[in-house]
Amino acid sequence: EPEVTQTPSHQVTQMGQEVILRCVPISNHLYFYWYRQILGQKVEFLVSFYNNEISEKSEIFDDQFSVERPDGSNFTLKIRSTKLEDSAMYFCASSAEREVDYEQYFGPGTRLTVT
Amino acid sequence: QKEVEQDPGPLSVPEGAIVSLNCTYSNSAFQYFMWYRQYSRKGPELLMYTYSSGNKEDGRFTAQVDKSSKYISLFIRDSQPSDSATYLCAMSAWRGIYNQGGKLIFGQGTELSVKP
Repeated sequence: EPEVTQTPSHQVTQMGQEVILRCVPISNHLYFYWYRQILGQKVEFLVSFYNNEISEKSEIFDDQFSVERPDGSNFTLKIRSTKLEDSAMYFCASSAEREVDYEQYFGPGTRLTVT
Repeated sequence: QKEVEQDPGPLSVPEGAIVSLNCTYSNSAFQYFMWYRQYSRKGPELLMYTYSSGNKEDGRFTAQVDKSSKYISLFIRDSQPSDSATYLCAMSAWRGIYNQGGKLIFGQGTELSVKP
């Protein structure tokens, strides 16, 4: 069964450092998303990406964040200068293009720890 | 008022019980409704997806959507200890002709424990 994969599973970084989180969405999906979940809190939307451009972003997704689809399979989230409050689980999700297929399938997540 | 409200629990039931999980929402634009199961520090796993109002059944799981009341439910029949997890409701609006929608808005999650 196709699945979304994410690497690394756990990333520890120092405040101010840049991190890149990687995702491989399901192969025939065309909508891609990043969400985050701070420990004990709800899952929050960060950004959606379609047709090689950002289609929507949340207030959280400020200038420190960027996304890219560098090739036909990977989808990345970059945080330029990490802050302590960026510590969270980051989930990638994807969904198909068809009008009725709004289900989003999530990856296992990357746990980001900023020290 | 929060866009999506879900009782965080925890909810503890004996094995074999029928479990009812619920969410309410305020945004009438929501048309697509999902239930996810999440284990600690893992990714949400899609359980059920429903478009607009109505019921959907899959094995021991039944999802119900009542758009007139802005209320969705997930029922688990014959609950098992392996059903112990956090259950998240999530919903989205139509993507729109410019594909600007589709983001999921999640509830807080309900922690369920099924005791043998």
